[in-house]
Amino acid sequence: DTAVSQTPKYLVTQMGNDKSIKCEQNLGHDTMYWYKQDSKKFLKIMFSYNNKELIINETVPNRFSPKSPDKAHLNLHINSLELGDSAVYFCASSQGARGTNEQFFGPGTRLTVL
Amino acid sequence: DQQVKQNSPSLSVQEGRISILNCDYTNSMFDYFLWYKKYPAEGPTFLISISSIKDKNEDGRFTVFLNKSAKHLSLHIVPSQPGDSAVYFCAALKAGNMLTFGGGTRLMVKP
Repeated sequence: DTAVSQTPKYLVTQMGNDKSIKCEQNLGHDTMYWYKQDSKKFLKIMFSYNNKELIINETVPNRFSPKSPDKAHLNLHINSLELGDSAVYFCASSQGARGTNEQFFGPGTRLTVL
Repeated sequence: DQQVKQNSPSLSVQEGRISILNCDYTNSMFDYFLWYKKYPAEGPTFLISISSIKDKNEDGRFTVFLNKSAKHLSLHIVPSQPGDSAVYFCAALKAGNMLTFGGGTRLMVKP
């Protein structure tokens, strides 16, 4: 029974397309995150939502738009995809927005932009 | 500018011996540190953490040491087991919500 799930697991698309990645958690957590793991393997926070409200928005291009329809879901929509968007994207959740709270990660979505 | 660095991309250790993974940071405002473990095709999972008011935290085979003056922390695994083979990420937090991760160290424990 997966705690944090992401779909799709792999996504291959052409430059300029628009795509979405979905994330769902069944842990009852109130905070969800999106991270990007780049080619150098660094995990970097992109967004954080607490009770469906945006609380962290790092310097991410506005082509990236997170949407949280409810506390259990945080989807990531990306417009006009660029080559540099190729990465592994991880969704995570925690109970509470404090960074000291343990974050539970999904398995990741590998996005390849051609 | 990476504020959390793991300078060893990989480490190989014999089963039963000690594994020591290192992490350096540059921001003295960091006050909480975590280690996450990641297997291939899975997301990271929390392993152990330490507050800046402590210099050591132990949980079973895993111990994290913090040297604030050197801005350095290390994760010790003893004894190492083949199932410990994974990528280990160090992360740091400063008065807020945002974790800053290092680039990871791949640990290989040989039987």
